[in-house]
Amino acid sequence: DTGVSQDPRHKITKRGQNVTFRCDPISEHNRLYWYRQTLGQGPEFLTYFQNEAQLEKSRLLSDRFSAERPKGSFSTLEIQRTEQGDSAMYLCASSFRGNNEQFFGPGTRLTVL
Amino acid sequence: AQSVTQPDIHITVSEGASLELRCNYSYGATPYLFWYVQSPGQGLQLLLKYFSGDTLVQGIKGFEAEFKRSQSSFNLRKPSVHWSDAAEYFCAVGSGNTDKLIFGTGTRLQVFP
Repeated sequence: DTGVSQDPRHKITKRGQNVTFRCDPISEHNRLYWYRQTLGQGPEFLTYFQNEAQLEKSRLLSDRFSAERPKGSFSTLEIQRTEQGDSAMYLCASSFRGNNEQFFGPGTRLTVL
Repeated sequence: AQSVTQPDIHITVSEGASLELRCNYSYGATPYLFWYVQSPGQGLQLLLKYFSGDTLVQGIKGFEAEFKRSQSSFNLRKPSVHWSDAAEYFCAVGSGNTDKLIFGTGTRLQVFP
């Protein structure tokens, strides 16, 4: 069990560019979550997958954001036409249905210039 | 709507002193409650959780928390703080069938030698 991994750990991009982040959950976990954390705040829920199905999206997830989990394993989060307000730490977590305990990855810190 | 309040933004204690971090929640049903710790540049690590049963729960690193339904509180305690406990602490409630987490804004703990 290597834990939840995220790639890249840091991303600096210019406003208007597209970025994609990857999350690899713990292998037997069927639930995967994305959160966003800005400075001085707690993480905020963005979206959730059970296996490959995206079952809930927050209103925080604008049309510029899209997430996928094509085979029910790893997940990607894409932000199109990035804005400075997208600068944040993007956290991924996974859990096993019925366990309720989420394990977090180290996060991807996005800086939009 | 579900919410979590951590009234103390920043707490400073001396090493060896006792610690209590406050957490109040708003949730319509029996809550699932969690405390996470986040060190600089690190992901979130679960300290302890409450699902049901004994209202005093023990966690890792010598932490404990007590669930008080009448006060809608889930305060975190440690009898003797170590310098390595300096970090950001987040209280969270698990929400709905998805078990997405709703976090408080966090309490930053500083420990003086």
